[in-house]
Amino acid sequence: SQTIHQWPATLVQPVGSPLSLECTVEGTSNPNLYWYRQAAGRGLQLLFYSVGIGQISSEVPQNLSASRPQDRQFILSSKKLLLSDSGFYLCAWSHGQMYEQYFGPGTRLTVT
Amino acid sequence: AQSVTQLDSQVPVFEEAPVELRCNYSSSVSVYLFWYVQYPNQGLQLLLKYLSGSTLVESINGFEAEFNKSQTSFHLRKPSVHISDTAEYFCAVNSWSEGAQKLVFGQGTRLTINP
Repeated sequence: SQTIHQWPATLVQPVGSPLSLECTVEGTSNPNLYWYRQAAGRGLQLLFYSVGIGQISSEVPQNLSASRPQDRQFILSSKKLLLSDSGFYLCAWSHGQMYEQYFGPGTRLTVT
Repeated sequence: AQSVTQLDSQVPVFEEAPVELRCNYSSSVSVYLFWYVQYPNQGLQLLLKYLSGSTLVESINGFEAEFNKSQTSFHLRKPSVHISDTAEYFCAVNSWSEGAQKLVFGQGTRLTINP
């Protein structure tokens, strides 16, 4: 069966510091991968998606970037965090003809 | 572009009462619909999905949703809720753009079950 991992689970970072969040998927190959942000009390905002290694599409202009160095690894980064980057970050995967997505446990980021 | 509207941001109900969480989507030629549940500080879990076939779909924990094409709705119902159903519920619709399948989510409905 497939599983998806995210780490760290929680993170507190000062404004201006760098960020690296990692997501890995097990039990499948060539998945579609997605990064979402969920601000407090709000819905999900799609940030990035990837259909293959090195292929990254951005949905909204922002202070963040994403990379996919390996087939089942998806990384969310920032060079300098802003207060507005605080939120709950969720990674998800889908595959092939699947329409549904499966989500990881999330990372709670607080920028202070 | 696809869009999803969840008509209620919060729904409080008493335990063992019935509940309906409303979801409307923008019309499209072919549409696939989903309900996800999110417990506090956790990721989203797929609750049920409509892809084709019977318009009534069910989950393993007693929820059901009905796809209504004429009303562009996909409301979620449960005849008798439990304390453990307290969570945030998200409705989503598929969207195909720029060579990738995506999901468009509603803003969520917070279901609170009171004893």
